[in-house]
Amino acid sequence: GAVVSQHPSRVICKSGTSVKIECRSLDFQATTMFWYRQFPKQSLMLMATSNEGSKATYEQGVEKDKFLINHASLTLSTLTVTSAHPEDSSFYICSARPAGRLTYEQYFGPGTRLTVT
Amino acid sequence: DAKTTQPTSMDCAEGRAANLPCNHSTISGNEYVYWYRQIHSQGPQYIIHGLKNNETNEMASLIITEDRKSSTLILPHATLRDTAVYYCIVRPAVYNQGGKLIFGQGTELSVKP
Repeated sequence: GAVVSQHPSRVICKSGTSVKIECRSLDFQATTMFWYRQFPKQSLMLMATSNEGSKATYEQGVEKDKFLINHASLTLSTLTVTSAHPEDSSFYICSARPAGRLTYEQYFGPGTRLTVT
Repeated sequence: DAKTTQPTSMDCAEGRAANLPCNHSTISGNEYVYWYRQIHSQGPQYIIHGLKNNETNEMASLIITEDRKSSTLILPHATLRDTAVYYCIVRPAVYNQGGKLIFGQGTELSVKP
C-alpha cells in the first residue's frame, strides 16, 4: 500500500513551452501533497505544499506564476512548469501524506526528470 | 526546524552493520527524528522515525541518545541494494507546519562487496 505515481517519468521539452507533471496517490487519499526539486548532486529542495481544494503554499524564492500547482482531488496534484528554460531542467519529486490520520510518513513518487532544450 | 549534521559519505562492507550518525544538538522537545533514504534517481523512501526511545523495524534500528542531541541509524546487515543517500531530518509532529520535510545534504552510503 501507500503508492505514489508520477507521470511522465521523463520529459524533454523545448525552451518556452510548458510541461505538466502529474502526481497520484494510487491507494490512499491525500489532502496534502508536496513538490520538491532536485538538481544533480544536490539534496531535495521543497518547492511548495499543495492542499486539496485550496491554493498551494510556495517556499521562499519559488515563483508561483512559473510553477503552477493544482490539487483538484484527493488523489491528484499537478505541477505545471510554464515557459520552461534550460535552468528548469531538474528532477521533480512529489510526496503525499495520507488523509484522515495523524501519520508521520510521507510517501514519495518516483520522480520526473525534466530536460529543457 | 532543528538543523542536522551528517557525514558526507561512508563506506560499509556487504553483510556488516552500517551505522550512520546524525547530530541534532538543537532539537527541541516536540521534534521527532526521521530517516529517509534515496537510491539514485528514485524518490526518497521512509525508513524509520523516533522521539526519544530507540526504535526498530524491518529495515533498520534507530538509536537516540538520552539527551536527544544525536542519533544513529543502524542497518544490521548491509547489502549492495542499501547503497543510497541517507537523510536525517528533525521536525515537529505532523500537525505543526503542515508536515513538510526539509532535507539536508545527507550521507552517501556505499556498500562494497
